[in-house]
Amino acid sequence: QSALTQPPSASGSPGQSVTISCTGTSSDLGGYNYVSWYQQHPGKAPKLMIYDVNKRPSGVPDRFSGSKSGNTASLTVSGLQAEDEADYYCSSYAGSNNLGVFGGGTKLTVL
Amino acid sequence: EVQLVQSGAEVKKPGESLKISCKASGYTFSSDWIGWVRQMPGKGLEWMGFIYPADSDTRYSPSFQGQVTISADKSITTAYLQWSSLKASDTAMYYCARPHMLRGGVIRIDYWGQGTLVTVSS
Repeated sequence: QSALTQPPSASGSPGQSVTISCTGTSSDLGGYNYVSWYQQHPGKAPKLMIYDVNKRPSGVPDRFSGSKSGNTASLTVSGLQAEDEADYYCSSYAGSNNLGVFGGGTKLTVL
Repeated sequence: EVQLVQSGAEVKKPGESLKISCKASGYTFSSDWIGWVRQMPGKGLEWMGFIYPADSDTRYSPSFQGQVTISADKSITTAYLQWSSLKASDTAMYYCARPHMLRGGVIRIDYWGQGTLVTVSS
């Protein structure tokens, strides 16, 4: 199973919005509404930020939002803050008896 | 509160065996999948595999099938990741994770352990 495609880097200034894309295929991301996004700060474990394309776990700020169109999902971070600087990974369900796929990760820099 | 607490960092030589652990608490261990995610130095996340402790049903990513063994001990609510013969390429951070699964596929990971760094070097 091929990995999902993410841009290696993204950046924005404090207060701005930034969108990170994640592209898969009709066999994974495009075929199901089970896209999740994880935030990982250096030396820390990943943290679930978005699941089921656009749902936020309790405690995740509403500055984080997710969407999907066709084979591409997006994570938007609005009102960028310094603490948003981290690596972000997308992941998608890929059908029964297939553990799924991750994207390669995007390093978000807050300028 | 769900907690996944992993064993400490390991330094091993190529060819040695290793078993790392993940102690789970705060939920019914037997009734949820648990497993492992690899992150090689400076690289992304990779699913390794997951086990359902109630019946030991284990699902491996094709990349890791035959390379590692995932097991669980219900009596002490602990999951394990084991190698019989380590290679330098096994050097990585390994995260314990509790996934939400659907028909053998991962929907999302709700909870993560703190990670166990495994270094394999001669």
